[in-house]
Amino acid sequence: QSALTQPPSASGSPGQSVTISCTGTRSDVGKYNYVSWYQQYPGKAPKLMIYEVTKRPSGVPDRFSGSKSGNTASLTVSGLQAEDEADYHCNSYAGGNTYLFGTGTKVTVL
Amino acid sequence: VQLVESGGGLVQPGGSLRLTCAVSGLTFSDYPMTWVRQPPGKGLEWVAHISPPGSHTDYSDSVKGRFTISRDNAKRSLYLQMNSLRADDTAVYYCARDYDYVCDYWGQGTLVTVSS
Repeated sequence: QSALTQPPSASGSPGQSVTISCTGTRSDVGKYNYVSWYQQYPGKAPKLMIYEVTKRPSGVPDRFSGSKSGNTASLTVSGLQAEDEADYHCNSYAGGNTYLFGTGTKVTVL
Repeated sequence: VQLVESGGGLVQPGGSLRLTCAVSGLTFSDYPMTWVRQPPGKGLEWVAHISPPGSHTDYSDSVKGRFTISRDNAKRSLYLQMNSLRADDTAVYYCARDYDYVCDYWGQGTLVTVSS
């Protein structure tokens, strides 16, 4: 049960795009289309931004998009805004009612 | 929908603590539930999962044999009994609803500190 691997940090200027990767194995990310992404501000609970790899919950801006290739999932934030500065965590179902989270990525808007 | 955790606090190594998550605004008995924790300054870690009737539970390797997840559907409450606590169990503990393999509703978290 090792954590999924994310880059510690990512950054971009307002209006630019930033992409965060989430690397697992063929037993979790590579096997299931149950990858989700969460946004978290300091001291706050995580908020669901993407589920089932590409789907957005109601109310999440379409600037947020998800994808997957092999054992790596990605979250792209287009048209970066100051309010997007936060920590982002990926999550994957790993079978047998178990889940894995990523190591987390801090996104900075320059 | 509201999930409210309680029961966190300071406990000595080897001690026990019971967390409670009170749920309102949804039909609690219909959904699996999950506990997730976050050590200070670190990422999220999935801890435990329980089926809607409470008959099936699963745990991360790091807490298996020490933690027990349970629920009382009549009281709309989720629990996490934590025994043999260690310093590396120090974290904010969140409860969350599991809806089709995704945690969509989360509580605000409760801090557990294991220290002498």
